[in-house]
Amino acid sequence: QQQVKQSPQSLIVQKGGISIINCAYENTAFDYFPWYQQFPGKGPALLIAIRPDVSEKKEGRFTISFNKSAKQFSLHIMDSQPGDSATYFCAARKLGYNQGGKLIFGQGTELSVKP
Amino acid sequence: NAGVTQTPKFQVLKTGQSMTLQCAQDMNHEYMSWYRQDPGMGLRLIHYSVGAGITDQGEVPNGYNVSRSTTEDFPLRLLSAAPSQTSVYFCASSYSPQGFRGYTFGSGTRLTVV
Repeated sequence: QQQVKQSPQSLIVQKGGISIINCAYENTAFDYFPWYQQFPGKGPALLIAIRPDVSEKKEGRFTISFNKSAKQFSLHIMDSQPGDSATYFCAARKLGYNQGGKLIFGQGTELSVKP
Repeated sequence: NAGVTQTPKFQVLKTGQSMTLQCAQDMNHEYMSWYRQDPGMGLRLIHYSVGAGITDQGEVPNGYNVSRSTTEDFPLRLLSAAPSQTSVYFCASSYSPQGFRGYTFGSGTRLTVV
């Protein structure tokens, strides 16, 4: 079962535009919601993360919006640049020490920013 | 400080062969995990460990074994390779809950089973 659903699968944005990627989760036993950025041939790298007691977190051009009641969170990339072209994954971490920091990932979104 | 190091970077196996994917981290992280990445599936957890001597299964553990004899190393063993195990494998590590800041991933091992 897919506990974290991500959309869209692919996204094309013009340079300077806003990229928006959405995720929805089913299980309420998550306590940490990171976004990862992955370039071809590389491992995913942590981009930004949020905890469920916060509705929004901003770091530079990247913002996470979090809606706990709707079990949804989204990544907004402002002033998108060609260098932002990558695959983005949302994830959710399961509560509990014995869960080993288990991250459940969404399916990924391939973002292409056109010059 | 090398972070998370995975070897080999590429591997081709024949069906039925066994092999071990190596993973080492030098950040003294307690948590380590193995994920596989397949197109349209995101990253799926294979096995994870909360410390030396402690491992547990993730979402897709069948056909894989792990052990964690030291904090630094977390090898993944394919017992009898199958074409369905063709994938990109990522090892990741992190601090324990109190210091959790998300996982640091290695650069991956691209495995093809023919």
